[in-house]
Amino acid sequence: NAGVTQTPKFRVLKTGQSMTLLCAQDMNHEYMYWYRQDPGMGLRLIHYSVGEGTTAKGEVPDGYNVSRLKKQNFLLGLESAAPSQTSVYFCASSSWQGGLNTEAFFGQGTRLTVV
Amino acid sequence: AQTVTQSQPEMSVQEAETVTLSCTYDTSESDYYLFWYKQPPSRQMILVIRQEAYKQQNATENRFSVNFQKAAKSFSLKISDSQLGDAAMYFCAYKTSGSRLTFGEGTQLTVNP
Repeated sequence: NAGVTQTPKFRVLKTGQSMTLLCAQDMNHEYMYWYRQDPGMGLRLIHYSVGEGTTAKGEVPDGYNVSRLKKQNFLLGLESAAPSQTSVYFCASSSWQGGLNTEAFFGQGTRLTVV
Repeated sequence: AQTVTQSQPEMSVQEAETVTLSCTYDTSESDYYLFWYKQPPSRQMILVIRQEAYKQQNATENRFSVNFQKAAKSFSLKISDSQLGDAAMYFCAYKTSGSRLTFGEGTQLTVNP
C-alpha cells in the first residue's frame, strides 16, 4: 500500500519562481491537508479539503493556493516563492467517519528551500 | 479557535525509565479526538496513540499510555521502560469530528543510554 505520496521530496527555488507540490493518496479518504513544519512551531495548517472540488483556508494560507480536482490528489501551489516559504511541507489525509478511522496518514514530507 | 500547547520544548529520560510529556488544549467542542504523533529523524509522522473525548478510560498502547483529563483539557503521554528508539519529536494533536487537525509545537525527547 502506497498510502500518501508526496512529490517532490526536495526542491530548491529562486525567489519569485513558482512550483506545485503534488499529494496523492490511495485510501479513498475524503479529507486532505497541507501543513508546513518550521522549528519550534509544530505543524501549521496551510489549506485543507473536505472533498473533491472543495478547499478551505487553514492558519497560514497566504502565498499558497490549492486544488482538489480529483479525490485522490491535492495540489499545493506557490505562485511566487519567497524565502519565508522555506520549510518542510507535509500532506496528510483522513477519513471523515468517526471512531477508529479518524487518524491522519502523512506523506514523507517535502523539503523546500527558497533562495 | 482551537489551540494545542506543549510547554516542554525538550525532555530527556534514562533508558528503561519513565517519562511524561505534557499537552493542554483549548476548545469549546464536546466531541473531539486527541492524538500523539512521533516524528523520528526520518521525518515520517507516526501515530503513537489516540483518545476519543467521549471515552473516560485512558488509552493504552503497550508502553505508551495517556492521562486524559477532560475538565482540565489536559492530555499527557507517559512512556514506560523508555528505549533508545523512542527518541524523537513528539506532537500532540486535536481534531474535531469535522475536519481540522491542529498540532502543538512539539517536544523533543532524548533517551540517554
